Amino acid sequence: GAVVSQHPSWVICKSGTSVKIECRSLDFQATTMFWYRQFPKQSLMLMATSNEGSKATYEQGVEKDKFLINHASLTLSTLTVTSAHPEDSSFYICSARDPTSGANVLTFGAGSRLTVL
Amino acid sequence: TQLLEQSPQFLSIQEGENLTVYCNSSSVFSSLQWYRQEPGEGPVLLVTVVTGGEVKKLKRLTFQFGDARKDSSLHITAAQPGDTGLYLCAENNDMRFGAGTRLTVKP
Repeated sequence: GAVVSQHPSWVICKSGTSVKIECRSLDFQATTMFWYRQFPKQSLMLMATSNEGSKATYEQGVEKDKFLINHASLTLSTLTVTSAHPEDSSFYICSARDPTSGANVLTFGAGSRLTVL
Repeated sequence: TQLLEQSPQFLSIQEGENLTVYCNSSSVFSSLQWYRQEPGEGPVLLVTVVTGGEVKKLKRLTFQFGDARKDSSLHITAAQPGDTGLYLCAENNDMRFGAGTRLTVKP
């Protein structure tokens, strides 16, 4: 079945630094990927839709200059948290659909836990 | 934007008990998906329901889709500690999730 890989699984950084998280579709091509953010004991909140070869579409209230998304190929989207602050600490999850599966199923990565000190 | 409400928000039960969680929408679902997320992992698809009135079973899990396709329920029979997790519903064509039901099954 479709597999989505995220890297790193967890990262700790200092306040003010930038962190890049990668999301890869391993056995299928994804023109669209989705980035979510999840705080402890809460649900997933859609941050943005990553579109291959074009700009990402951000949800209302998500700062596009803060959360930079690049979808440079059909198998890779990256989320960069710029000038990270402790309040950016969260669990970031990406997902994608395999367009060939016919099932319209979202496959999720295992998530990346960011801790900003 | 479709609003998804899930209830209850939290549920803690003993092993062997039965439970039902709900997902309700402000508008009609084209189809609906249920996911389960375990701590520290991404959500995993449990089922997709498409037809109003549809019932699907997955071992001890029974999923129902309302006749009007605006609500769905997930019933778990004889819950086990391995069922612990966050249960999420989502409209198939929308990438947004409900708030989820956080289930804890105590041994």
